[in-house]
Amino acid sequence: DGGITQSPKYLFRKEGQNVTLSCEQNLNHDAMYWYRQDPGQGLRLIYYSQIVNDFQKGDIAEGYSVSREKKESFPLTVTSAQKNPTAFYLCASSPQGNQPQHFGDGTRLSIL
Amino acid sequence: GENVEQHPSTLSVQEGDSAVIKCTYSDSASNYFPWYKQELGKGPQLIIDIRSNVGEKKDQRIAVTLNKTAKHFSLHITETQPEDSAVYFCAASTVVNYGGSQGNLIFGKGTKLSVKP
Repeated sequence: DGGITQSPKYLFRKEGQNVTLSCEQNLNHDAMYWYRQDPGQGLRLIYYSQIVNDFQKGDIAEGYSVSREKKESFPLTVTSAQKNPTAFYLCASSPQGNQPQHFGDGTRLSIL
Repeated sequence: GENVEQHPSTLSVQEGDSAVIKCTYSDSASNYFPWYKQELGKGPQLIIDIRSNVGEKKDQRIAVTLNKTAKHFSLHITETQPEDSAVYFCAASTVVNYGGSQGNLIFGKGTKLSVKP
């Protein structure tokens, strides 16, 4: 079954700790995205990648980092510089930009 | 940059009634408008989309209309059912690289639809 897999489903971070959220897709899509969702808010773009080994900052990239070493993988690291990391994080992919994006089921990050 | 406004934030209808959710956008260069349905604890699922060369698109009980002049688009759900209860998001796509194929989605803040049996 083709799709996007995010793991873990729930993640807890201690103060001063970096954590990495996994996103894997087997749809052979070129583009991948990371969004942050807060209660009552729309999705806000953190980072996106149109092709392997290339990525761009979105609207709220501060305190986050990404890598795109493989086409199918786009991990997101929430660094200690992100002072308000508690949120629901969603990964998406599309064949190319400006084409339908398909989402994973998210990772909920909380602070201990 | 692009800004997408979505109304209403909550909508309650009786089963069998119609539901309409409206969105406005600010960037006249936007040319792709998807709608997503998000159930609790899940990621958004694309339910219908429309491009700027089309005024209306329909898929069974759902339809989307686009008014480019007024820069607004709407989602229409007819004969609503309890399983339609979810949060619905509209989005608009702007071109990042002129002449390129890139486009990042700007989302509205969502509408929580409740369908009462």
